[in-house]
Amino acid sequence: AQSVTQPDIHITVSEGASLELRCNYSYGATPYLFWYVQSPGQGLQLLLKYFSGDTLVQGIKGFEAEFKRSQSSFNLRKPSVHWSDAAEYFCAVGAVYGNKLVFGAGTILRVKS
Amino acid sequence: EPEVTQTPSHQVTQMGQEVILRCVPISNHLYFYWYRQILGQKVEFLVSFYNNEISEKSEIFDDQFSVERPDGSNFTLKIRSTKLEDSAMYFCASKGTDSTNEKLFFGSGTQLSVL
Repeated sequence: AQSVTQPDIHITVSEGASLELRCNYSYGATPYLFWYVQSPGQGLQLLLKYFSGDTLVQGIKGFEAEFKRSQSSFNLRKPSVHWSDAAEYFCAVGAVYGNKLVFGAGTILRVKS
Repeated sequence: EPEVTQTPSHQVTQMGQEVILRCVPISNHLYFYWYRQILGQKVEFLVSFYNNEISEKSEIFDDQFSVERPDGSNFTLKIRSTKLEDSAMYFCASKGTDSTNEKLFFGSGTQLSVL
């Protein structure tokens, strides 16, 4: 069965500190992995995705993620967090052209100044 | 950047009432989706719609739910007789012809509260 686990419901980091949000997945075929961000009152915005190739992918807003097949993980990182990064972050897995994405439960990021 | 628009942003209804959630997908898109997120739980796929018919639906999408594209611009989700457990944030999404899920755009959601 396809599933995504985001073990951290809430994370609080200081502005300027580094960030890592964890994501583990279970998927029967080659996984295509996504990270979305939702700011209050906004839709789900795609941060980055992994389809194939280089396992370290760069996204928007200075985020990156690393695909580790051996650990079934796709963790999101940012070297220096800004107050505007406070939002909810969702990891998702699916097919490239498929009809549905399977989402994790989300991680709420709080940034303290 | 193009947007998927959802209205209303919040809707409150009484149990047993019918609700219609409205979405305006991006204008040249042909694939349409509804997802929902119950508070504290995962975002869950409900249904996909292409060429005026449902192409895939989840087990959540039972006979109480229906979708429609009544004209060239709107895509609606109807819940016939709402239950308390239908309270959730409902997201609409769309993508264009042969687009990968990289090009899947989500709306900002409708928060449905069933009392």
